[in-house]
Formats: sequence, C-alpha cells, structure tokens
Amino acid sequence: ETGVTQSPTHLIKTRGQQVTLRCSSQSGHNTVSWYQQALGQGPQFIFQYYREEENGRGNFPPRFSGLQFPNYSSELNVNALELDDSALYLCASSLGDNSGNTIYFGEGSWLTVV
Amino acid sequence: GNSVTQMEGPVTLSEEAFLTINCTYTATGYPSLFWYVQYPGEGLQLLLKATKADDKGSNKGFEATYRKETTSFHLEKGSVQVSDSAVYFCALSVGTGNQFYFGTGTSLTVIP
Repeated sequence: ETGVTQSPTHLIKTRGQQVTLRCSSQSGHNTVSWYQQALGQGPQFIFQYYREEENGRGNFPPRFSGLQFPNYSSELNVNALELDDSALYLCASSLGDNSGNTIYFGEGSWLTVV
Repeated sequence: GNSVTQMEGPVTLSEEAFLTINCTYTATGYPSLFWYVQYPGEGLQLLLKATKADDKGSNKGFEATYRKETTSFHLEKGSVQVSDSAVYFCALSVGTGNQFYFGTGTSLTVIP
C-alpha cells in the first residue's frame, strides 16, 4: 500500500467523449505526476504538478490536461477521446519535485475507449 | 535524449535459480536509477534505487549497482522464489521536475 488512491478503477468511454480521472496523493506529498501505460509497455510521463502548478509535461497533446488542488489531490482530463487512449493511467506522488525523489504509484485507472 | 533499454522477456526460471535482468540507459544529465516491480493485479512498487555512480541499491534479496562507465543498472538476485514472479521495470529520473523514464518491462515467471 502506497497511500495513493485512484478512481475509478475501470471505465469504458466512446470515442470523442471526455473523461476525468482522480487521484489522492500520499499524505504529506505535494507533487503529483500522471503516467500512461499501454498494454505491454512501460509507463509514459504525461505531466507533473507541484504546489498546484504544472511544472513538467511529456509528449502528449493539449487535450490531456490536469489540475492539482490545495489538498494536493489531482485530476487528469482527456478530451476528444481516441481509441489509442485506451490504457492504464497511473498517478504517482512524491515529496517535492527534485530528481531522485522516489515516486509512489496508485493502482491505476483502466480506460477503454470503444 | 533520455531513455532506458531493458532486457526483453518473458523470462522463466526455476525456483532458486540466479536472476539477471539487464538495463542500460542514456541520459542528458546525471540520473538517479530505479527498479520498480509490478506484481499481478497490483500497482508499481519501488524495489530499489541508486542516486550516484557506484551506489548499490538492495531490497528483498535483489541488488543493482549504478555503473556510470557502462551506463547500466542490472538487476540481480541470487535465488529467486515463486513469489518473485512479476514484471520488473528499470527507470531513470533526471533534471528538474523529477520526470521518470521507464523501460518496457521484463516479465519474470518462477516455477517450482
């Protein structure tokens, strides 16, 4: 148990729809990052939030957006869903955004786009 | 750029066999290196880490040494157990923002 919780655990959406995934970070952690893990692949960095500001972004289009709230919980929003967005979405939290800090993952949200 | 290349699987071993999973990296700076493990039906968990050259990370009988000269961080265990069956991911973190770069994962199955 890492203390990072995500919801929902599974969901199915139709192409073109929008989805919101939620994450509660481990107690005391002020940094949240989101990763996409396609089947059989390693996680790919989407973006990171530190103290409610986005401070890093991977190679994902603008239809992937996020928020971090004052209690450090976070949301990932994906608009105009495409079939290739089907994946496991992982949230990870850490204390601070320094390189070398361990990040702690939740169990993920499985998204299927049909 | 930054990337991690790890040994392709799947790997199948008998209980008590020696395990090596190779991992090499490229980085545009001085990275920290990690091994994460994903047991069936569970999320990614930190197995071990090393933050500077020649450091050895260890946990649960697993070890990996940060080799800057060969840009490697190979995972080893002297005697695997059935409970070690999982997918293992090598990863690096470098620069500001603590962005992680993961390998594609190596699936390990240990048979009794």
